Amino acid sequence: GDSVTQMEGPVTLSEEAFLTINCTYTATGYPSLFWYVQYPGEGLQLLLKATKADDKGSNKGFEATYRKETTSFHLEKGSVQVSDSAVYFCAEGGSNFGNEKLTFGTGTRLTIIP
Amino acid sequence: DVKVTQSSRYLVKRTGEKVFLECVQDMDHENMFWYRQDPGLGLRLIYFSYDVKMKEKGDIPEGYSVSREKKERFSLILESASTNQTSMYLCASSLDGGLGEQYFGPGTRLTVT
Repeated sequence: GDSVTQMEGPVTLSEEAFLTINCTYTATGYPSLFWYVQYPGEGLQLLLKATKADDKGSNKGFEATYRKETTSFHLEKGSVQVSDSAVYFCAEGGSNFGNEKLTFGTGTRLTIIP
Repeated sequence: DVKVTQSSRYLVKRTGEKVFLECVQDMDHENMFWYRQDPGLGLRLIYFSYDVKMKEKGDIPEGYSVSREKKERFSLILESASTNQTSMYLCASSLDGGLGEQYFGPGTRLTVT
């Protein structure tokens, strides 16, 4: 079945550091790929997405590129802020027509210290 | 803006009680989902629904049931709550043909004592 493996946390960085959170997936077909973020006390919200190979999703300074050859969708940000502290989830889905399910990774807790 | 609301943010119930968690979405989405979130395990799908009165088991349906009588509302039912069902419950919805993008509610933190 489909699966998503992401970098285990927790990850602690200093403000303005470079961030990478690794994510790889296994899926049949051509899934869409997502990064969701969960701020303390809240539900998940979509951070960025990519729907086909070589697409780059970007939002709020975060970027991720859909790499079909390595089945990866790593999340990066050049300079993190304290407000980026949250839990980040990689997800894949929509790979079969009419199948709208998503498969999530276990989440990576990110803490940014000033 | 898509809005998904859940009936309670925090809930405390006793072992053996019947528990109802309600979820409502206002964007006419066909698909609705119930997940539970536990530390170190991420999100696990309990049940989902593609249409009114239609439901499919997810990865961990045991001990749960669902109801979808109207398109906008999806209820999760714990028939007889147990302490191992203490968790964060998240509801989500998505549009058919939306390439999988889901919209989440704020979550209900359920404690079973």
